[in-house]
Amino acid sequence: GAVVSQHPSRVICKSGTSVKIECRSLDFQATTMFWYRQFPKQSLMLMATSNEGSKATYEQGVEKDKFLINHASLTLSTLTVTSAHPEDSSFYICSATPGQLSEQFFGPGTRLTVL
Amino acid sequence: QKEVEQNSGPLSVPEGAIASLNCTYSDRVSQSFFWYRQYSGKSPELIMSIYSNGDKEDGRFTAQLNKASQYVSLLIRDSQPSDSATYLCAVNGVSGGTSYGKLTFGQGTILTVHP
Repeated sequence: GAVVSQHPSRVICKSGTSVKIECRSLDFQATTMFWYRQFPKQSLMLMATSNEGSKATYEQGVEKDKFLINHASLTLSTLTVTSAHPEDSSFYICSATPGQLSEQFFGPGTRLTVL
Repeated sequence: QKEVEQNSGPLSVPEGAIASLNCTYSDRVSQSFFWYRQYSGKSPELIMSIYSNGDKEDGRFTAQLNKASQYVSLLIRDSQPSDSATYLCAVNGVSGGTSYGKLTFGQGTILTVHP
């Protein structure tokens, strides 16, 4: 149990385009989903916290107009990187939790390369 | 002072030995504690969760929690080369009086198990 999927696993796009990443909890309802970014050999960086039906809470320094988050249901959250630039190239990972003090289960990640 | 601290390593142990990974945290009201394993280029994978003082065993893994000392550890018995990865300690506590399930991660300990 506790499976989280992400799609796509890898995407290459041109500078200036937008990319949407989907995150789904497959076998549980996620009260909250989280979006992280990780650069090579660096720690996970939390970008935002997403609750179903409400606006996402962004961490300091993360541009909410650039990284659009939609949490449409208890099993689906999407992250859209708008007007992507090469510096946005990174490993984007979502996680989901069934409760506030419960474990976070991570998706397999999406590797974004912006040319 | 960092909220969750781990030795970055690398920690090198021979195959078959016990690997001991340590973590300290600063928030006394933290309630949930987790160990994740992350292989290079992959997303974190939950291996242990612990909520109360004492030991919790699961196969070759034992998590130990001491809330009075604000210390959590992970022991890996009979270490295998496939255990070579970065191990992340994560703590879920209360921030601003409300917990949204956010995890605070340590910087990770790189473990290498050599044959």
